[in-house]
Amino acid sequence: SQKIEQNSEALNIQEGKTATLTCNYTNYSPAYLQWYRQDPGRGPVFLLLIRENEKEKRKERLKVTFDTTLKQSLFHITASQPADSATYLCALASYGNNRLAFGKGNQVVVIP
Amino acid sequence: GAVVSQHPSRVICKSGTSVKIECRSLDFQATTMFWYRQFPKQSLMLMATSNEGSKATYEQGVEKDKFLINHASLTLSTLTVTSAHPEDSSFYICSALAGGPRNEQFFGPGTRLTVL
Repeated sequence: SQKIEQNSEALNIQEGKTATLTCNYTNYSPAYLQWYRQDPGRGPVFLLLIRENEKEKRKERLKVTFDTTLKQSLFHITASQPADSATYLCALASYGNNRLAFGKGNQVVVIP
Repeated sequence: GAVVSQHPSRVICKSGTSVKIECRSLDFQATTMFWYRQFPKQSLMLMATSNEGSKATYEQGVEKDKFLINHASLTLSTLTVTSAHPEDSSFYICSALAGGPRNEQFFGPGTRLTVL
């Protein structure tokens, strides 16, 4: 069966350090993968998209890697700040449509 | 960036009543919108794809007669939960697909539905 797995345990990290989150998937052949931020009681906010033929994408303090052999994406927040505290979701989209399948999300807590 | 609104933000209703949730793209046109449902500590689950001017496409296990979707214009899609029951209580989120090659979905702020 298809699965998208993110760590269920919250990641507690000291301010200024790099937070790294993992998204693993099975039985998918995604055309692209996206990362979203979700705050409690709010809808997701788009952060980054990376296509299956791309290895790495960056946006300001964010970096995403995509390894289709390992079926894994890593999401990095460098120089983390307390305002980065949120839940981060990965989502996959298959070829031919834009329907997204989401992981459960991984909570990040940045400690001042 | 593109803005998507939802109305209402939260609603409490009695069991057996129907509830309508609106999703609007405020500064762009969206031929495709999506409806998701999210239970606490769970992932967003896609319920249906809403296409302007045509019938919605529902995901497996989602009852089309219970969750009525209408996408009457390029900026508005509505989800009506008919004969709501307590198990329908959830966080309902819509998204609108922006055009072009970026494949970005812009999400609304969500609607918290509580059925008593």
